[in-house]
Amino acid sequence: KAGVTQTPRYLIKTRGQQVTLSCSPISGHRSVSWYQQTPGQGLQFLFEYFSETQRNKGNFPGRFSGRQFSNSRSEMNVSTLELGDSALYLCASSNVEKEQYFGPGTRLTVT
Amino acid sequence: QQQVKQSPQSLIVQKGGISIINCAYENTAFDYFPWYQQFPGKGPALLIAIRPDVSEKKEGRFTISFNKSAKQFSLHIMDSQPGDSATYFCAASQRVNEKLTFGTGTRLTIIP
Repeated sequence: KAGVTQTPRYLIKTRGQQVTLSCSPISGHRSVSWYQQTPGQGLQFLFEYFSETQRNKGNFPGRFSGRQFSNSRSEMNVSTLELGDSALYLCASSNVEKEQYFGPGTRLTVT
Repeated sequence: QQQVKQSPQSLIVQKGGISIINCAYENTAFDYFPWYQQFPGKGPALLIAIRPDVSEKKEGRFTISFNKSAKQFSLHIMDSQPGDSATYFCAASQRVNEKLTFGTGTRLTIIP
């Protein structure tokens, strides 16, 4: 099976702009979670979607949002970008055993 | 609030030696404990995981030891190889949801 794919892999944006990141889960996986990875804060949970519904949300401001489509693909959006949003954004999909498999991530740089 | 504490922050082990990374958790509701391996420029890869109904799980050279009463678990890498040089993260979650709480990571370097 193909792994989790994320697009784009790299992105450079300017403060105040918004960005949309995309994630395609492993075939058959219905749950998709998003994480932010930074050197200072480590890996932090953003949110999780299952059957197009947000089931869990981490402690991030409302500028961070997401959605899931009927084919389980997911997108996350960050509005009004801040310098501190520069990070590696990771998507993970889960099997029925709740094992999470991560994609390669999208490296977002905000200037 | 850091709910999963990981140590050491960095570790240097000679080729063929045993690498040991430790984690401690606070939330007694956690019931799933995976370890991830991450190489530079890559996403974390699931290495091995354990649930609290067993005290040890072994997969090849990788072993998780779990101590429920002490709320601690550890990763042992036997016969460590240069290709094992990576950052390792422990994590914990409740099976009822998908939220993984990660440790701060251990940068492992295997020297010849």
